[in-house]
Amino acid sequence: NAGVMQNPRHLVRRRGQEARLRCSPMKGHSHVYWYRQLPEEGLKFMVYLQKENIIDESGMPKERFSAEFPKEGPSILRIQQVVRGDSAAYFCASSARVVLTGELFFGEGSRLTVL
Amino acid sequence: DAKTTQPPSMDCAEGRAANLPCNHSTISGNEYVYWYRQIHSQGPQYIIHGLKNNETNEMASLIITEDRKSSTLILPHATLRDTAVYYCIVRSRRQGGSEKLVFGKGTKLTVNP
Repeated sequence: NAGVMQNPRHLVRRRGQEARLRCSPMKGHSHVYWYRQLPEEGLKFMVYLQKENIIDESGMPKERFSAEFPKEGPSILRIQQVVRGDSAAYFCASSARVVLTGELFFGEGSRLTVL
Repeated sequence: DAKTTQPPSMDCAEGRAANLPCNHSTISGNEYVYWYRQIHSQGPQYIIHGLKNNETNEMASLIITEDRKSSTLILPHATLRDTAVYYCIVRSRRQGGSEKLVFGKGTKLTVNP
């Protein structure tokens, strides 16, 4: 049973370009969470999605950032017009029936570098 | 969710038990204590969780005080590979609503040879 898969693992963008980060949850998981970790800092929650629905986006910046989790395919975190401050590791986590287990399974992260 | 307080760093000798404390004095009755760790540059890894009884699994033991205001994660025989940042998180498991984990600064555990 494959774990949470994130790609790309490393992404380099120039200021003003778009970054798309993909997350395939574990098989059978329908809950996806995105976290951001700036260099030398802790993990900050960004958004929580279930299939086709955004449940909690309280940690998402108001502009340039968006997330989706379509019925088919991976969850996508999209950053438009990237700036140097967007350079960070972006982690995705998934869970099944949250109430039962409470456990989140994390991917290995996507590291975005903005030049 | 209740706030947690952890020491910023700890050291432990290889082969000895590592005892990582966590204070959560404002925990409420329906909130669980979770422990995760993050080994350098990797994704966080679930370790253990509990409500009020002590818990043990293949990775660690979790001791929760009777008043539930603090807990201790015990790694019985620490190895160099246990060097990581350990996060204590308090979260309710209510149905519906956001179930996100809120990570604090954690404890940087260094296991020394």
